[in-house]
Amino acid sequence: SYELTQPPSVSVSPGQTARITCSGDALPKQYTFWYQQKAGQAPVLLIYKDSERPSGIPERFSGSTSGTTMTLTISGVQSEDEADYYCQSADSSGTYPFVMFGGGTKLTVL
Amino acid sequence: EVQLVESGGVVVQPGGSLRLSCATSGFTFDDYTMHWVRQPPGKGLEWVSLITWDGTGTAYGDSVRGRFTISRDNSANSLHLQMSSLRSDDTAFYYCAKEGATAGPYYFDSWGQGTLVTVSS
Repeated sequence: SYELTQPPSVSVSPGQTARITCSGDALPKQYTFWYQQKAGQAPVLLIYKDSERPSGIPERFSGSTSGTTMTLTISGVQSEDEADYYCQSADSSGTYPFVMFGGGTKLTVL
Repeated sequence: EVQLVESGGVVVQPGGSLRLSCATSGFTFDDYTMHWVRQPPGKGLEWVSLITWDGTGTAYGDSVRGRFTISRDNSANSLHLQMSSLRSDDTAFYYCAKEGATAGPYYFDSWGQGTLVTVSS
């Protein structure tokens, strides 16, 4: 297995752009997914297959990749975006398929 | 609308056993791999297990392999997790999650509301 590393916290003011990174050696070979989890709620899928957005997710959420680092970008941050964000990847190629999550990043809207 | 409703979470003693269930609706259950994901209170997400659409393929996270068993009943649109030899570090909210695509990769496009398992004497 391998690890996905996220910063524990990110803070931005409303209207600014927030960038949350996710680093992992295997990321160039595997898709990355992003989830938003608000306090007391279940996670919600934000981004799939690196940069695709499910229906109903606002356009201000986007995903990108550069080498071993994936980035979730939230443009024009709103107070309602305050939440925990998790990246996720998976490897189905080995004897034991597995899924891994990053440790999560708490986004604070100042 | 996809709905996933977990049940079975209780307080159990260390070394005990427990069975969680997830009732599903709103999608063709036997088209999708299903997963369990857990989250200790105040901590991050941890993938627990998956089962393929027909139940013939399963996989487990390192921390639960050999102690937990995932199963499904396609006739009842339900998912289960049999947990044994429970330890205090198994204390968590357990989420049932639907695979995002019928042919992988593994990710989750729908989640239940979670059920809390507390392992304590």
